[in-house]
Amino acid sequence: EADIYQTPRYLVIGTGKKITLECSQTMGHDKMYWYQQDPGMELHLIHYSYGVNSTEKGDLSSESTVSRIRTEHFPLTLESARPSHTSQYLCASSAGAAFYSNQPQHFGDGTRLSIL
Amino acid sequence: GQNIDQPTEMTATEGAIVQINCTYQTSGFNGLFWYQQHAGEAPTFLSYNVLDGLEEKGRFSSFLSRSKGYSYLLLKELQMKDSASYLCAVIPGYSTLTFGKGTMLLVSP
Repeated sequence: EADIYQTPRYLVIGTGKKITLECSQTMGHDKMYWYQQDPGMELHLIHYSYGVNSTEKGDLSSESTVSRIRTEHFPLTLESARPSHTSQYLCASSAGAAFYSNQPQHFGDGTRLSIL
Repeated sequence: GQNIDQPTEMTATEGAIVQINCTYQTSGFNGLFWYQQHAGEAPTFLSYNVLDGLEEKGRFSSFLSRSKGYSYLLLKELQMKDSASYLCAVIPGYSTLTFGKGTMLLVSP
């Protein structure tokens, strides 16, 4: 089974706060991803990384930032949370060294974020 | 842009067979994935197709026709636990995975 962990599972917080969503994987995967998913809607890629010190923006514009200082860790930060950031955030990782990967992505359980 | 279409909802009876279709129009193609996502949970990998034809894995099979931009997921001997959303996702050329909106399958007794 995949070993990818996200914390917290649920977060309710006020507008204007700085938030960091944690994601860690123990599989040694080079590629990691952050998705945003609203209820009943598709997953939208907001950030991804090919390895340490590599970060790229995804298809969906996001006010969040990411960092990749260690292979196993890929945190996502919102500097000033707003109600429009309310959503579910899913972290994933995959093996493979190619620019695109045919290896399946393994997902964490997600963080449900509510901004009041 | 990339476009992936799936039916929004499907219903079926326990023990039956159901086919979930997916059509895609993308700028290039390097593979198609199917994922299962139970409500409130993370997506889990079901299958991967990159060449035309049928891939069978237990009760689940997935088919691909690249010339038609078409795939389906076939679920046999349906069980109640198969009630979930099924996500079709495509690698469009040299790019990252693009997901469809998913098909919500409801299995009734």
